[in-house]
Amino acid sequence: ETGVTQTPRHLVMGMTNKKSLKCEQHLGHNAMYWYKQSAKKPLELMFVYSLEERVENNSVPSRFSPECPNSSHLFLHLHTLQPEDSALYLCASSPWTSGSPSTDTQYFGPGTRLTVL
Amino acid sequence: GQNIDQPTEMTATEGAIVQINCTYQTSGFNGLFWYQQHAGEAPTFLSYNVLDGLEEKGRFSSFLSRSKGYSYLLLKELQMKDSASYLCAVKDSNYQLIWGAGTKLIIKP
Repeated sequence: ETGVTQTPRHLVMGMTNKKSLKCEQHLGHNAMYWYKQSAKKPLELMFVYSLEERVENNSVPSRFSPECPNSSHLFLHLHTLQPEDSALYLCASSPWTSGSPSTDTQYFGPGTRLTVL
Repeated sequence: GQNIDQPTEMTATEGAIVQINCTYQTSGFNGLFWYQQHAGEAPTFLSYNVLDGLEEKGRFSSFLSRSKGYSYLLLKELQMKDSASYLCAVKDSNYQLIWGAGTKLIIKP
């Protein structure tokens, strides 16, 4: 496996279900990100982890709960979601050079297409 | 507030040239990125500009004018596989990426 992988690729869940999205990166990066992508809207940054510590949480509802057990893995735990949460959820990773005007290019996984019924 | 503007959709002909514009208003500037995203796939990195001028990479070029808050992505010798969405993103003073909504490019034979 190379790059950034995400599972599952597609997920349909009811509003009362609990599910988890998984992301794994094989690039040796030390920062990982969760984004939400809705049709015709900009990517919305949800969470950022650097060296397994959360450094950003952009006012995301508590029904989304991230977990970063190590620098290669990132999870997004979902519970009691709403239909408006249906979207493509993208994971990304990058080197972390905070404070430096570096490229810090983010590399994305293919995403999980989530549908909440 | 911070804002990135790019056209919603563009159409071009195979073999032609197309320019996708991006204008931005952000709190600070630490570089501008272009990504390509095919339907149902991951965004993939195309280019990064932090200084004014043109960066050329094969059939793709990206231009930046920081004084005008403006960038464009130029695609030459268009191929059908270039049909995709093109995302513009700016890294602000906090090194956070601010994203545009993307430009869907349709290539016709």
